Amino acid sequence: EAQVTQNPRYLITVTGKKLTVTCSQNMNHEYMSWYRQDPGLGLRQIYYSMNVEVTDKGDVPEGYKVSRKEKRNFPLILESPSPNQTSLYFCASSLSTALAKNIQYFGAGTRLSVL
Amino acid sequence: DQQVKQNSPSLSVQEGRISILNCDYTNSMFDYFLWYKKYPAEGPTFLISISSIKDKNEDGRFTVFLNKSAKHLSLHIVPSQPGDSAVYFCAASRDDKIIFGKGTRLHILP
Repeated sequence: EAQVTQNPRYLITVTGKKLTVTCSQNMNHEYMSWYRQDPGLGLRQIYYSMNVEVTDKGDVPEGYKVSRKEKRNFPLILESPSPNQTSLYFCASSLSTALAKNIQYFGAGTRLSVL
Repeated sequence: DQQVKQNSPSLSVQEGRISILNCDYTNSMFDYFLWYKKYPAEGPTFLISISSIKDKNEDGRFTVFLNKSAKHLSLHIVPSQPGDSAVYFCAASRDDKIIFGKGTRLHILP
């Protein structure tokens, strides 16, 4: 089954404790992206990657890191989480052609609480 | 600066009637416009898209209209069904970036 898998689905942590949210897709997609969803703010892009070893900042990259060492994986790293990073996070992937990259497949989400 | 705006946080429509969700944008350089649908506890799913060179795209009960001069697009759902109750995100893209609106929660009333 074609899917984007995020882990963990729920995470409660404390300020300053490094964490990683994993994202994996099995569709051989070149394009991958991370979003956060906050009440009243919708979906905002954090980072995206056009292919292996190619990453770029989205609209809200501060406080986050990503890496793309393999095509299927795109982990999101919070080196020193803060309470304002409490949010619902989504990973997404797509093909990279002009139209296809707009048709993104999303994971089920990771709800993060930073205390 | 909010480039993609959905000014209605929520909308209630009677089952069987037409649902119209609206979206405005500010950047005339966007080349694709999209609608995504999201149920609680799930990720968004792609619904329908339209290229900036077209003014209408239809897929079953869903039709998207684009008015470039007004920088406005709308999603029409007809007839509305209970399973259409969800949050709908409008999005616009150019090059490698996609920008989403804040979403509109659609309630289909029995």
